[in-house]
Amino acid sequence: DGGITQSPKYLFRKEGQNVTLSCEQNLNHDAMYWYRQDPGQGLRLIYYSQIVNDFQKGDIAEGYSVSREKKESFPLTVTSAQKNPTAFYLCASSIAQGGAEQYFGPGTRLTVT
Amino acid sequence: QQQVKQSPQSLIVQKGGISIINCAYENTAFDYFPWYQQFPGKGPALLIAIRPDVSEKKEGRFTISFNKSAKQFSLHIMDSQPGDSATYFCAASNRKLVFGQGTRLTINP
Repeated sequence: DGGITQSPKYLFRKEGQNVTLSCEQNLNHDAMYWYRQDPGQGLRLIYYSQIVNDFQKGDIAEGYSVSREKKESFPLTVTSAQKNPTAFYLCASSIAQGGAEQYFGPGTRLTVT
Repeated sequence: QQQVKQSPQSLIVQKGGISIINCAYENTAFDYFPWYQQFPGKGPALLIAIRPDVSEKKEGRFTISFNKSAKQFSLHIMDSQPGDSATYFCAASNRKLVFGQGTRLTINP
């Protein structure tokens, strides 16, 4: 089955700890994205990557970091510098960056206390 | 200019009725307008999308109407069913997707 997997589904961390969220796709898509979703709000873009070893900041990149060492993988690290990290995090991919259809993973709900 | 404004925030429709969700944008460089459906605890799923060279696109019970001059587009769900109850997001793209705030749709049986 082709698709996007995110793990884990639920993640709990103490304040001050860095945490890495996993995103893997087997769709052979070039572009990958990370979004944050808060209750009652739309999706906000954190980082995106058009190609391996290259990525760009989205609208709310502060306190986050990413890497793209493999085409299939785009992990997101939520650092201790992120002031309000508790949220639902969604990974997506598309054939190419831009107007192409984006396909989303099931999401990871991160709770920081 | 990069915003997409979506309304209403929430909508309740009787089974069999028509659900209508509206979106407006400012940036005329947007060239792709998808709608996503999201169930609680799940990722959004692409429902239907349109490009600005057409005024309407229909897929089953779902129709996008697009008004380029007014910079507005809407989603119509015909014969709405309880299984359609979900949050719907419109979006617009010019290299990046910009999402509306979402509409929580409830279909009463």
